[in-house]
Amino acid sequence: AQSVTQPDIHITVSEGASLELRCNYSYGATPYLFWYVQSPGQGLQLLLKYFSGDTLVQGIKGFEAEFKRSQSSFNLRKPSVHWSDAAEYFCAVHSNTGNQFYFGTGTSLTVIP
Amino acid sequence: EAEVAQSPRYKITEKSQAVAFWCDPISGHATLYWYRQILGQGPELLVQFQDESVVDDSQLPKDRFSAERLKGVDSTLKIQPAELGDSAMYLCASSLDPGRSYNEQFFGPGTRLTVL
Repeated sequence: AQSVTQPDIHITVSEGASLELRCNYSYGATPYLFWYVQSPGQGLQLLLKYFSGDTLVQGIKGFEAEFKRSQSSFNLRKPSVHWSDAAEYFCAVHSNTGNQFYFGTGTSLTVIP
Repeated sequence: EAEVAQSPRYKITEKSQAVAFWCDPISGHATLYWYRQILGQGPELLVQFQDESVVDDSQLPKDRFSAERLKGVDSTLKIQPAELGDSAMYLCASSLDPGRSYNEQFFGPGTRLTVL
């Protein structure tokens, strides 16, 4: 069965510092992988997605993620965090039967001045 | 820019009462999804519609939850009676083309339900 694990419940970084959010997945075939961001009280916004090809994908707001099949990981990175990046981040795997997503439990990001 | 609309944004109710949430997907999107997001967890799919038909409601607690999309456009999710454990964010999403293996899902702002 498909599943996603985000081992970090909460992360705090200083503004301007680099960021890496971890995501591990379990999926029987080549996965479609996603990162979403959710600001307080808001819906989910797609940051980036990976289907195939180049394992380093670029997204919006300066985010990128790297797919590593050998580690079953899809970690999200940003070289320099801005205060507006404070939010909840969700990793998800897509089941290509029925167009269903399976979300991780999320990582809450706090950015300190 | 087209968006998924949801109302109300916030709902407080007492247990055993009935509540209803409304979702209007992006125009032309054939597929509509309702998710429940419990605090501290990721969204979980409750029901998926293709036009007016239910495609998947395997995770919908059918003894108290119901969902409809009568004309294949907007949708209503109902809970009757509400229980304390139903307190959560209810998210609606829509996607475009049912014939493709993947369609980006666009999420609405959600309805935050608190059951007292």
